[in-house]
Amino acid sequence: AAGVIQSPRHLIKEKRETATLKCYPIPRHDTVYWYQQGPGQDPQFLISFYEKMQSDKGSIPDRFSAQQFSDYHSELNMSSLELGDSALYFCASSVQGRGTEAFFGQGTRLTVV
Amino acid sequence: AQSVAQPEDQVNVAEGNPLTVKCTYSVSGNPYLFWYVQYPNRGLQFLLKYITGDNLVKGSYGFEAEFNKSQTSFHLKKPSALVSDSALYFCAVKDSGGYNKLIFGAGTRLAVHP
Repeated sequence: AAGVIQSPRHLIKEKRETATLKCYPIPRHDTVYWYQQGPGQDPQFLISFYEKMQSDKGSIPDRFSAQQFSDYHSELNMSSLELGDSALYFCASSVQGRGTEAFFGQGTRLTVV
Repeated sequence: AQSVAQPEDQVNVAEGNPLTVKCTYSVSGNPYLFWYVQYPNRGLQFLLKYITGDNLVKGSYGFEAEFNKSQTSFHLKKPSALVSDSALYFCAVKDSGGYNKLIFGAGTRLAVHP
């Protein structure tokens, strides 16, 4: 079965640089979520999209932005990177609804040096 | 606000013994509860969920969870632990507002010893 695809898997950037993370949700899933997981921490919700429109916003810094495109893939854009942005970034997709589970991608490990 | 708590940072169990990973919840309205497992440098894998119905929910890899409304708990269990079950386990609840994002607990590291 198709899963959530994230690219790249690993990314190394210098401080103040920009990074773009991509997510390809499971076909026919209408909702995409982005999470950030710091070392030894639980995943923190950043932002979500429902049918290509931003639906919810969490603790996402103003330096970050995201969008979902017509083909349903989503991109998380991160500018003016800081050392503290080093983390695992997960994308998840689901069919909208409280009883539906979200399926997660393998994540992108971002290291800012 | 919806939240879950995992009171144990780590659980140690011998292979072949039963295991329990604890989770308590605080929700307004009906709870929609989930368990996920995370292996090193991997994404989160869905194990099971409670929506309604039977209090004992069966999931993947032989795991099950018991929903207890009076104790507001949703503990993850397995009758016989395997070394390969060693991983990080997250309990989660669906947000009641917005577009149903998952809110995670802090996670519990399960270590199964041979």
